[in-house]
Amino acid sequence: SQTIHQWPATLVQPVGSPLSLECTVEGTSNPNLYWYRQAAGRGLQLLFYSVGIGQISSEVPQNLSASRPQDRQFILSSKKLLLSDSGFYLCAWSVFGGTNEKLFFGSGTQLSVL
Amino acid sequence: QQQVKQSPQSLIVQKGGISIINCAYENTAFDYFPWYQQFPGKGPALLIAIRPDVSEKKEGRFTISFNKSAKQFSLHIMDSQPGDSATYFCAASMKKSNYGQNFVFGPGTRLSVLP
Repeated sequence: SQTIHQWPATLVQPVGSPLSLECTVEGTSNPNLYWYRQAAGRGLQLLFYSVGIGQISSEVPQNLSASRPQDRQFILSSKKLLLSDSGFYLCAWSVFGGTNEKLFFGSGTQLSVL
Repeated sequence: QQQVKQSPQSLIVQKGGISIINCAYENTAFDYFPWYQQFPGKGPALLIAIRPDVSEKKEGRFTISFNKSAKQFSLHIMDSQPGDSATYFCAASMKKSNYGQNFVFGPGTRLSVLP
């Protein structure tokens, strides 16, 4: 069965510090991978998606970047965090090119930038 | 055109009552409409989904009603229980030309079921 792992679960970082959040998927090949952000009490904002290794598309301009060094690994990074980067970050995956449109989310990382 | 509207923003229901959450979309290219349930501090989990070729789908106490002509769909939770208290997101998706799916989420509804 497929599983998605996301870590860390919580993170407190000072303004100006770097960020690295990691997500891995098991049990499937060549998944579409996504990073979403959820502000407190708000909806889901798509940040990045990837259809393959090294292929990253950004949905909104921001202080963040994403990388996909391996087929089932997706990393969200920042060189210098801003206060506005605080939020709940969710990694997700879906099956590439199939008719199964289900989107599966990780357990999320609560990031607080102080 | 990519927006999915969702109402109400919050909902309080007595145990045993019916919870109803409504969503509306504009883009007729959407071809898949899932609902996600999210508990505090957790990622959203797929609850139930429907395609536009059917008007209703039921799974246990959860039912999606779909009105293609009105471009609206709704989630009904029958016999609501305190354990159903969560945030519910509707979504719409379509296949993009170069990759799998493009998902658009509603802003969410926070449901509280009182014991």
